[in-house]
Amino acid sequence: QVHLVQSGAEVRKPGASVKVSCKASGYTFTSYYVHWVRQAPGQGLEWMGIINPSGGNTRFPQRFQGRVTMTTDTSTSTVYMELSSLRSEDTAIYYCARDPSPGDMSYFDYWGQGTLVTVSS
Amino acid sequence: DIQMTQSPPSLSASVGNRVTITCRASQSISSHLNWYQQSPGKAPNLLIYAASRLQSGVPSRFSGSGSGTDFTLTITSLQPEDFATYYCQQSDTPPYSFGQGTKLEIK
Repeated sequence: QVHLVQSGAEVRKPGASVKVSCKASGYTFTSYYVHWVRQAPGQGLEWMGIINPSGGNTRFPQRFQGRVTMTTDTSTSTVYMELSSLRSEDTAIYYCARDPSPGDMSYFDYWGQGTLVTVSS
Repeated sequence: DIQMTQSPPSLSASVGNRVTITCRASQSISSHLNWYQQSPGKAPNLLIYAASRLQSGVPSRFSGSGSGTDFTLTITSLQPEDFATYYCQQSDTPPYSFGQGTKLEIK
């Protein structure tokens, strides 16, 4: 069965960077795009971007341009999301999610368990 | 960017009731609308995609409808496990924005 398993919680100081991993199993890794979504404490969901594991093409909202990087390692079926220049407002749970139909009727059918990133001095 | 507005923000209902949650897009998104359920401390779970298609494994008491700018999620015969927060999401045009959520609570 499909699983997305994310790395553990992280604590960073303002201005630092964090890299979260999402290891996929149970399906052909390069056949499905992966999105990242975050959720600040007590808040709603915010889309952070998408990566195509086959080729590495990415797309991010303008508000994250220049601060977020998404990469993949096809040898380990892992997607990475790195966020730099962290500020307190980046404190959130970060989720990866699989998309079986990108660009058409895009939707997120499997999600990772989430990774809490805390930004605090 | 497309703005998604859900109503109501919160809702109280009893087990066995029928409830409807609405979602409005700031511009037409055709049928590119998904619904997710999130229980406390858990990742979101896909319920409905493409406005009305039931995700595999989701009970048939969940249904979605609408197109263009106005959409609804209906839950018939509420079960205890349905008390959670529900989010709509547009996947028509990036950034793929979510509604602010509707918290469904037990009356």
